Parts: sequence; structure tokens; C-alpha cells
Amino acid sequence: GENVEQHPSTLSVQEGDSAVIKCTYSDSASNYFPWYKQELGKRPQLIIDIRSNVGEKKDQRIAVTLNKTAKHFSLHITETQPEDSAVYFCAASRTDSWGKLQFGAGTQVVVTP
Amino acid sequence: DGGITQSPKYLFRKEGQNVTLSCEQNLNHDAMYWYRQDPGQGLRLIYYSQIVNDFQKGDIAEGYSVSREKKESFPLTVTSAQKNPTAFYLCASSIDLRGAVQYFGPGTRLTVL
Repeated sequence: GENVEQHPSTLSVQEGDSAVIKCTYSDSASNYFPWYKQELGKRPQLIIDIRSNVGEKKDQRIAVTLNKTAKHFSLHITETQPEDSAVYFCAASRTDSWGKLQFGAGTQVVVTP
Repeated sequence: DGGITQSPKYLFRKEGQNVTLSCEQNLNHDAMYWYRQDPGQGLRLIYYSQIVNDFQKGDIAEGYSVSREKKESFPLTVTSAQKNPTAFYLCASSIDLRGAVQYFGPGTRLTVL
């Protein structure tokens, strides 16, 4: 089955700097890659997703890149703000059959003023 | 954040007791899921259901049971057979199983005393 590894497990950045979180996946048939943000004590919420027919997707200060050949995808947050502090989860699934989402272990991002 | 609800928010149980966690959605989604979240381990799938009266085991189904008698409801029972039930439980739903965005409920924190 699919296995998703996420790095780093914790990330501390200064406000205004960029943050990058990387994930690798094992199943070459995976073609859907969402990212979820979970603030302390809250539910995970989708912040951006990408499908395998594109290599990059942007939404304001966040972007995701996908390298299908290397089987890795990354989340980029620019101009970080204190409200970006949260746990971020990557996930991967395939859509040709039942696409069970396999989650990474999460990255705790702390944005310091 | 409406659409998918879980109750209660906090639940305490004595060892040896079964307990049922509620999950309701009014999004008209066919698919529903239960995840368990432990620190540093991401989200692990317990059970999922793609349609009323049908459900399947996920990665860590032992000690848990579910039912899907109505499209809107997917309750999870944590039985006394679950050896380490203290965790944060998240319910989610999606339009269908094929790579659709999953929307999460607010979660139930279960503590076994």
C-alpha cells in the first residue's frame, strides 16, 4: 500500500520568512495530493491540493509543487505570519479506484515574531 | 465550520466499558470515515463507508465497530477490546471515495481512566 513520509517533523521560522515542508510517497499510481492544516485543538482543514496532471499550484501565500518522477511533493508558505502556526499534514491517494488517503505524520510549524 | 458535527467534544470512560462517538453530516456526502489521531503519528484510518449499510475496515479497525444505517450518520463504538483507546477521534466525509476532498468534524477526545 501507499506510504507517505513527511519532513521535517518540526519547523521554526521567523515571521516573514518562507517555510517548506516535503513529502515523499511510494505508490506511483497515486495522483491526488492534498495538504491539511490543523490548528491546536481544531479539525484539519484542506488548504490546497494538487492532482498529478499539474506540477505546481498556488493560492496566495501558499503553493504546492509535485515531482511525479521523484515521487515527492512540497508545500511552500511565503511571508509567514503568526496565524500560520499549526500542524500541517500531507496526504496521497489514487483516484482510479477507491482513493484511501494516506497521511504523513505531520509537521509542527511555529512562526516566531 | 458547519456541515459535519461530532459529539461529545470530550469523553471519559472507565476501562472495560464500551463507548459510542457520534458523527453527523448534512452535506449529502456518500462517503464517511473515522480516523484516530495520536501525537506524532498523523491520521490513521479506522473504518470507512461509501454507502448506507456498507462499511469497510481501515488500517486499525481492531477494537472498534461502526454502523451506517442512515446516510447522515456514522457512529463509532470503541469497545473494551481496544487496548489503548485514549486518543483524538476525527470523523470525515466526502462526496464519494474517488479522490474527493474530505471534510473533517471537530473531533472527540476520548480519555480512558
